Amino acid sequence: KAGVTQTPRYLIKTRGQQVTLSCSPISGHRSVSWYQQTPGQGLQFLFEYFSETQRNKGNFPGRFSGRQFSNSRSEMNVSTLELGDSALYLCASSTNPPGAYNEQFFGPGTRLTVL
Amino acid sequence: DQQVKQNSPSLSVQEGRISILNCDYTNSMFDYFLWYKKYPAEGPTFLISISSIKDKNEDGRFTVFLNKSAKHLSLHIVPSQPGDSAVYFCAAQGNSGNTPLVFGKGTRLSVIA
Repeated sequence: KAGVTQTPRYLIKTRGQQVTLSCSPISGHRSVSWYQQTPGQGLQFLFEYFSETQRNKGNFPGRFSGRQFSNSRSEMNVSTLELGDSALYLCASSTNPPGAYNEQFFGPGTRLTVL
Repeated sequence: DQQVKQNSPSLSVQEGRISILNCDYTNSMFDYFLWYKKYPAEGPTFLISISSIKDKNEDGRFTVFLNKSAKHLSLHIVPSQPGDSAVYFCAAQGNSGNTPLVFGKGTRLSVIA
């Protein structure tokens, strides 16, 4: 079974631009979560989608948005990029529906650098 | 306010000895706990989990201990191997799985041959 895939793997943007990152979950997984990892900050939760609906949202500004498609693939968008948005963005998928503990499977991440 | 804390940013252990990684949490609503391992340039990989109804869970060389009264959990790796060198993240979830995972900042384990 193929794992979680994320594209692109690396991205360089300049301040003020916008960016879209893509995530394809493991086949059969309907839950997708996004995290931001910066040095010394661990994994900060961005949002979670299940069956095209946003189930949970982390404490990030409105510049960060996401969506999930009917095939469970997900995208996240960051508008008006700031230097502090430079980070590793990780996507994770799981089988479990809301109300069930979930072991999440992570993709390799997209490394975003904002200049 | 950090709800999951890993107070040791790094740990060095000799090959063959025991590695003990610690994690503290503040939210009493957490009832499921997980450990992930992360190598450079890869996403985190699930290692082991424990429900709050248990105080110990074993999987091969890995054992997780949970002390609910102290809001503390630990991961024991015995014996430690050089391939265990990675960053280890503790994570917690509450409300019967309806809230997202909350991660600690990680501990970098170095196993020296």
